[in-house]
Amino acid sequence: AQSVSQHNHHVILSEAASLELGCNYSYGGTVNLFWYVQYPGQHLQLLLKYFSGDPLVKGIKGFEAEFIKSKFSFNLRKPSVQWSDTAEYFCAVRGNNAGNMLTFGGGTRLMVKP
Amino acid sequence: NAGVTQTPKFQVLKTGQSMTLQCAQDMNHEYMSWYRQDPGMGLRLIHYSVGAGITDQGEVPNGYNVSRSTTEDFPLRLLSAAPSQTSVYFCASRSVTGGRYNEQFFGPGTRLTVL
Repeated sequence: AQSVSQHNHHVILSEAASLELGCNYSYGGTVNLFWYVQYPGQHLQLLLKYFSGDPLVKGIKGFEAEFIKSKFSFNLRKPSVQWSDTAEYFCAVRGNNAGNMLTFGGGTRLMVKP
Repeated sequence: NAGVTQTPKFQVLKTGQSMTLQCAQDMNHEYMSWYRQDPGMGLRLIHYSVGAGITDQGEVPNGYNVSRSTTEDFPLRLLSAAPSQTSVYFCASRSVTGGRYNEQFFGPGTRLTVL
């Protein structure tokens, strides 16, 4: 079975600070990896995804994530956060099979102080 | 395209009541699923379907029923609501043709409170 662990439940940063949110997964085969964002009162939106190729993935709004296979990690980064990045962030993994389920981590709630 | 739609947005039930959460998508996606979101636990899969007439259980199926009579609709039924089912419910869909390179789209959610 696959599982996802997000280390930080709550993160508070000031504007312009750098962000890194940790994500580790467990799965015995090849995986697809995702980061979703949920802004207050809204539904989940895809931030970025990794299927294969370059392990450094760039997403929307200046976010990026790096897949490190040896560490089973897919950490999310942003060099300089904005107040509008206040949201909850979810890491998710899906086994490399079209029908496999998407498994989510517990989420990290980010608050950016203006 | 409206994408994935869910109704109602909010619902309050008393313990023991039944209700159906509606989900529809207009993207002709084969795969549809229901998740519940609880603080600190992320999203957990309740039930999913890979096509009309085919459903299967996810991680937390107890207390919920589903059916998939059409490609577009995937309702979630609570037969006898319990306070432990207080949560935010999300429906999602994605295409499975073309293999694994397919994004999952989420509906806006239904916030359910069971008293």
